Amino acid sequence: SVLTQPPSLSGAPGQRVTISCTGSSSNIGAGYDVHWYQQLPGTAPKLLIFANNNRPSGVPDRFSGSKSGTSASLAITGLQAEDEADFYCQSYDSSLSGAVFGGGTKLTVL
Amino acid sequence: QVQLVESGGGVVQPGRSLRLSCVASGFTFSSYAMHWVRQAPGKGLEWVAVISYDGSNQYYADSVKGRFTISRDNSKNTLYLQVNSLRVEDTALYYCARRLGVGYCSGGSCYPTDYWGQGTLVTVSS
Repeated sequence: SVLTQPPSLSGAPGQRVTISCTGSSSNIGAGYDVHWYQQLPGTAPKLLIFANNNRPSGVPDRFSGSKSGTSASLAITGLQAEDEADFYCQSYDSSLSGAVFGGGTKLTVL
Repeated sequence: QVQLVESGGGVVQPGRSLRLSCVASGFTFSSYAMHWVRQAPGKGLEWVAVISYDGSNQYYADSVKGRFTISRDNSKNTLYLQVNSLRVEDTALYYCARRLGVGYCSGGSCYPTDYWGQGTLVTVSS
């Protein structure tokens, strides 16, 4: 994938976890926004964070995003069992003239 | 409430064609750019194509350029994806998704997507 994410991550209930998303000078580093999606098992992806650090209505403030340089991060605080899902980052790539996704991170709540 | 319902998937042989459809309801379809995104079984998300709110502009992933065509009929609130010259690697669940925000978009402003359908499965196999 053009954007690099850790394949898997785990945490105990109540803990804080961070998912990284690393790009390059043609996407995140070029100033394009990063968006995050959560995909629960067997369901369609859901927009979780848009434009780096904005939450759509209804998304708990336990979820937050940040971006710096060629990377971005999604932080989840107060981890809950229902947070167990796949998480994807997305940005735009000027050399590809299209959207690019990270490979996804499978979050396991222990 | 916003609803996107895809259809048209199925099992096809390599080299054949399909037309996928996505019927939208619960919002002013003609005001939004729309996307197709696919997900191979057990794999991650791959953006496929986007079309502007009025159908005047289309952009494609390199992997499908020249084989897939995105189009829309705003009078029918329907998005289409014509998929030709199918390959085994095109096997995936195909989602339609609505752009966050109305009106004209270009490049990075055409993303993200705020509503997704449940997908239609395309299986390419001999």
